[in-house]
Amino acid sequence: AQSVTQLDSHVSVSEGTPVLLRCNYSSSYSPSLFWYVQHPNKGLQLLLKYTSAATLVKGINGFEAEFKKSETSFHLTKPSAHMSDAAEYFCVVSLGSGGGADGLTFGKGTHLIIQP
Amino acid sequence: ETGVTQSPTHLIKTRGQQVTLRCSSQSGHNTVSWYQQALGQGPQFIFQYYREEENGRGNFPPRFSGLQFPNYSSELNVNALELDDSALYLCASSQLLGNEQFFGPGTRLTVL
Repeated sequence: AQSVTQLDSHVSVSEGTPVLLRCNYSSSYSPSLFWYVQHPNKGLQLLLKYTSAATLVKGINGFEAEFKKSETSFHLTKPSAHMSDAAEYFCVVSLGSGGGADGLTFGKGTHLIIQP
Repeated sequence: ETGVTQSPTHLIKTRGQQVTLRCSSQSGHNTVSWYQQALGQGPQFIFQYYREEENGRGNFPPRFSGLQFPNYSSELNVNALELDDSALYLCASSQLLGNEQFFGPGTRLTVL
């Protein structure tokens, strides 16, 4: 079985300051981990993914995440927030590299608010 | 390259009715997965279709069923609608089993 816990339901930061969205996972096997972003009235977009290669993963729009097996964490960071980053962010775990027969398991989401 | 498309965008049904949602996969993709996203929650996996066969299923009752067609498009059918079925239904396609999934914009279903 696999699960994901996003530790914050809401995160508010000022534009230009760093962003940290926290995620812990649980998986019986070596998982693949993802971060997706969902803007209002738009589909889910993949930000980045970890599939057992480098533990520091760089994604689109300046986001990156670090896989820490000892802490079972996969936190998402960005050095400087932009107004366009305001959205819902989902941490996702999968047994396969992209979601096999068990599909993708999503966290409950973190709503990122950017203050001007 | 055309992305994943879903129809209709919005739908309103009454309890007990049946509904069919449609998904066209991205060009070159042969795998389709369906997810249910309740308000304020993350998406939950319903099932996946590969080469017109159900390849995996989440914790959803049999009244949720699906089809995949030879052109890899897909349908999600829900019978005997319940109020709790109100949600955003997302379709995702991938080129191969286990590859990155690309999501459509979703169908918003409201059950009254």
